Parts: sequence; structure tokens; C-alpha cells
Amino acid sequence: QQQVKQSPQSLIVQKGGISIINCAYENTAFDYFPWYQQFPGKGPALLIAIRPDVSEKKEGRFTISFNKSAKQFSLHIMDSQPGDSATYFCAAKDSGGYQKVTFGTGTKLQVIP
Amino acid sequence: DGGITQSPKYLFRKEGQNVTLSCEQNLNHDAMYWYRQDPGQGLRLIYYSQIVNDFQKGDIAEGYSVSREKKESFPLTVTSAQKNPTAFYLCASSGGGLSSTDTQYFGPGTRLTVL
Repeated sequence: QQQVKQSPQSLIVQKGGISIINCAYENTAFDYFPWYQQFPGKGPALLIAIRPDVSEKKEGRFTISFNKSAKQFSLHIMDSQPGDSATYFCAAKDSGGYQKVTFGTGTKLQVIP
Repeated sequence: DGGITQSPKYLFRKEGQNVTLSCEQNLNHDAMYWYRQDPGQGLRLIYYSQIVNDFQKGDIAEGYSVSREKKESFPLTVTSAQKNPTAFYLCASSGGGLSSTDTQYFGPGTRLTVL
């Protein structure tokens, strides 16, 4: 079964620090990699996304780094804030068929003051 | 406001009962999806529909059924055959095009609890 492996499962970071979440995949048919942010009791919301022909994408305090040869990608949250406390999911979209999206298992981030 | 609505927000079901979760979108999206979310397991695909009057099973379709009679609506029925239905259910939609950057947008979810 296609998988996207995500780590760590949980993360505690001090305010102002850098939060780093890592994901790895095996299926070379994946061609789009979105990250979602989910607050408790809410649906996931698209945060940032990257295509594999780009090594890095930055939007505000959020940066995706992508290593195609290693089949790994990561989310960096700079200057982490308590309002960033949420669960983050990486995902990968398949280029074939109906373009299925496979999700990682999620990382629960807590930013402490 | 454009978006995806799900109702109810909370749903309680007795064992042996069927229940239907509502999902409506006004984004004019062709494709719609149902996911189940359990703690520590991420999102698992139940059913998806790329076009009206057509739908396919996802990874965990057993015990669930759907219909897609209208473009904007994709209700999910949790049947009594679903052995462990207590979970958070998420509906999503996307343009359904072939672009790899076509992204799924999620509704607020329905939390189903079996009593």
C-alpha cells in the first residue's frame, strides 16, 4: 500500500523556536505534496504545497524543503507561536488515475510560551 | 460564503442503526470525498466521486454507502455493518481536474459516537 511516513508523532517547541516535521515516501508517481493544518474539532486546511521540481517553497513563516533523490520532504515553522499549536499532516498526490491523496499520520505540535 | 458544510456536527447512534452524514459544497467542484479520522491514524479514504452519479470505493468502504445525485451533495451512510463507526468523519471536494495541483478542501467534520 502506498504510504507517507511522518515524524515525529508529537512535538513541543518553545515560542520563537523552529518546528520541524519530516515526511518520507516511496511511490515515485507522487507529484504534488501539500501540507494541512488542523485545529481540534475542525477540518484540515491547506497550509502550503510543493511540486517535486522545486527544492524549497516559503510562505511567510512556513517553508517546505523537498529532497527528490531521498524521497523526503519537511515542513519548517520559523518563529513558532502558540497559535501554531495544531496537528499537521503531510500528504502526497498520485499523478495517475483519479489522483489519490495519501496522508501521513499527523504531528501534534504544541508551542509553549 | 463559498465552502463545504457538513451536518450534523455531533451525531450519536445506537448500535444496529444506520445514520446518514450530510456534505454539501458550493464551490462548483466535480470531485468529492469522504474520509475517516481516528487518533494516530491520519485520514483514511472511504469513498470518492469524480462526477455526478458515479462513485468508487476507497481504502475502507466496508460498512459505508454513498450517493451522488447532485453535484453539490455527497451524503455518507454509516450502516449497522460498520463494526467500529465511532470516529471523526471529514468530507472534502476538489475541482477534479487532471492538474496535479488540484487541491482538496475539507469541511468542518462530523463526530459520530456509537452508544
